Amino acid sequence: DSGVTQTPKHLITATGQRVTLRCSPRSGDLSVYWYQQSLDQGLQFLIQYYNGEERAKGNILERFSAQQFPDLHSELNLSSLELGDSALYFCASSVGLPSNNEQFFGPGTRLTVL
Amino acid sequence: KNEVEQSPQNLTAQEGEFITINCSYSVGISALHWLQQHPGGGIVSLFMLSSGKKKHGRLIATINIQEKHSSLHITASHPRDSAVYICAVPDYGGSQGNLIFGKGTKLSVKP
Repeated sequence: DSGVTQTPKHLITATGQRVTLRCSPRSGDLSVYWYQQSLDQGLQFLIQYYNGEERAKGNILERFSAQQFPDLHSELNLSSLELGDSALYFCASSVGLPSNNEQFFGPGTRLTVL
Repeated sequence: KNEVEQSPQNLTAQEGEFITINCSYSVGISALHWLQQHPGGGIVSLFMLSSGKKKHGRLIATINIQEKHSSLHITASHPRDSAVYICAVPDYGGSQGNLIFGKGTKLSVKP
């Protein structure tokens, strides 16, 4: 158990819908990361928050948004869903910055868009 | 932008064999990460290393900073080692040191 929790574990929805994925980092970790893993693209970095502030963006679509709350939990919002958004979404956390700190991954949310 | 290449893409071994997975990257880095993804999908961080060698149980990771190359070795492989092994390095461009990932090596260890 990494100490990072994600809910829900599975999500099935229809095209055009909006969903929210939730992540709680390990106690004491200030950085939260969101990743997408699809069959054809592999693991891709979406966005990082550090102590409540957005720090870096990766390959995140404009239809996707995220935030980190004062208690450091984070939510990833996916809207106007398309079939291609079906993927595993992972949250991870670390004490500090990404390049020099081990990251601890949550169990993931499997999103299926029908 | 850093680029990560892993080899081989797929690897099948017999129980007890010595396994080597390779990772090369294009831009100098401060640290490299090895991750393990279980068949159920969960991801575990195995190593983060910036120089030399690290060992944890039957797993050994090495890195050569000058050659921009890292290897993950598994000694006395066991069927429970069957998983996807992923190498990741920081991208110091637009994503400010966030990780980019290799495509992974799928390891299957047969009893």
